[in-house]
Amino acid sequence: AQKVTQAQTEISVVEKEDVTLDCVYETRDTTYYLFWYKQPPSGELVFLIRRNSFDEQNEISGRYSWNFQKSTSSFNFTITASQVVDSAVYFCALIPRGGKLIFGQGTELSVKP
Amino acid sequence: GAGVSQSPSNKVTEKGKDVELRCDPISGHTALYWYRQSLGQGLEFLIYFQGNSAPDKSGLPSDRFSAERTGGSVSTLTIQRTQQEDSAVYLCASSRNNSPLHFGNGTRLTVT
Repeated sequence: AQKVTQAQTEISVVEKEDVTLDCVYETRDTTYYLFWYKQPPSGELVFLIRRNSFDEQNEISGRYSWNFQKSTSSFNFTITASQVVDSAVYFCALIPRGGKLIFGQGTELSVKP
Repeated sequence: GAGVSQSPSNKVTEKGKDVELRCDPISGHTALYWYRQSLGQGLEFLIYFQGNSAPDKSGLPSDRFSAERTGGSVSTLTIQRTQQEDSAVYLCASSRNNSPLHFGNGTRLTVT
């Protein structure tokens, strides 16, 4: 069975704090893709990153970084020096090869000034 | 450039009426998804079309829900005899192979 678990329902931080959003996935497939999406209060879903299962290199994009560890089936997302504009719901997602995209339940991040 | 287009953006209907929601995916995208998002909730998978394969309907919540995709392009999600619990934002997304999904802005359905 395929499953994505985001155990943190809500996180609240103060601006400039670092915050990590956890994502744990389950799949029997050896080839799969992992994604993170951001949904700001305006409602649109914004693609942030895609990783394939053969690439465990961590990635950094500005204040955003992702830690992919196959050994623990995790794909965690860290925001460094958070800003109020980072406030949103963040979704982790999995697509096994040839399968359909499955989302986690989302983590609502609130960054307070 | 043209993204995923959904219409209408808002729909208010009376309980018991049928509604049709439309999705125009990005040209050339073979995969098309419908998701539902209730207020403050996550994304609930409804149905998935991939090329000419039979659609994966495993997420449809009841037989009042159906969807079709004509000519591998436009898709219509139909909800018959709407109920108040059907009120949600219905999101359509498309992609090419395993590339990232591109989402439309959704249709906000309110059943009164």
